[in-house]
Amino acid sequence: DQQVKQNSPSLSVQEGRISILNCDYTNSMFDYFLWYKKYPAEGPTFLISISSIKDKNEDGRFTVFLNKSAKHLSLHIVPSQPGDSAVYFCAASAPTGGSYIPTFGRGTSLIVHP
Amino acid sequence: KAGVTQTPRYLIKTRGQQVTLSCSPISGHRSVSWYQQTPGQGLQFLFEYFSETQRNKGNFPGRFSGRQFSNSRSEMNVSTLELGDSALYLCASNFDTDTQYFGPGTRLTVL
Repeated sequence: DQQVKQNSPSLSVQEGRISILNCDYTNSMFDYFLWYKKYPAEGPTFLISISSIKDKNEDGRFTVFLNKSAKHLSLHIVPSQPGDSAVYFCAASAPTGGSYIPTFGRGTSLIVHP
Repeated sequence: KAGVTQTPRYLIKTRGQQVTLSCSPISGHRSVSWYQQTPGQGLQFLFEYFSETQRNKGNFPGRFSGRQFSNSRSEMNVSTLELGDSALYLCASNFDTDTQYFGPGTRLTVL
């Protein structure tokens, strides 16, 4: 049973336009959400996060929106650049045995065309 | 600070063999987690070690095991390898926060 779902395996966007990556979760205990970016042959790198007490967090071209009532979050990239082409993983965490272990979605492959 | 390092980067084994993968966390990070990534399955949590103790465990068979040393370095072992164990194995460390910092991974191929 997937607790974190990224329903779009891939997304294609033109350079300069907005990329919107979506993520849904089912566990209401999740209280911290993260986005990771992964290039081939590299490990995921942390991109941006948001706590459940907020509904928006912004870092440069990247903004994450959280809708707790809908159990939905999204990552907006504006403007999109070819270097943003990568697989993006959504992750959510809740306190587990004294630590926070994120549950990951299956990823969305973003391709930004020049 | 140096990032998370993993060795080896690539490994080819045959069914029935066992394998040991190594991970060195970022200096000062005491928590080390291991994940398996296979195509279409995302990152599946294997286990987490903190101060040489397994603190959390995912839903993997007992063939998958790990340990952590006093310097926080960690190893994971897979015994009696199966074809389905072919995957990218990722190690991540963190400093008691939600943010995991990942290594480049070890690509394991089981023939």
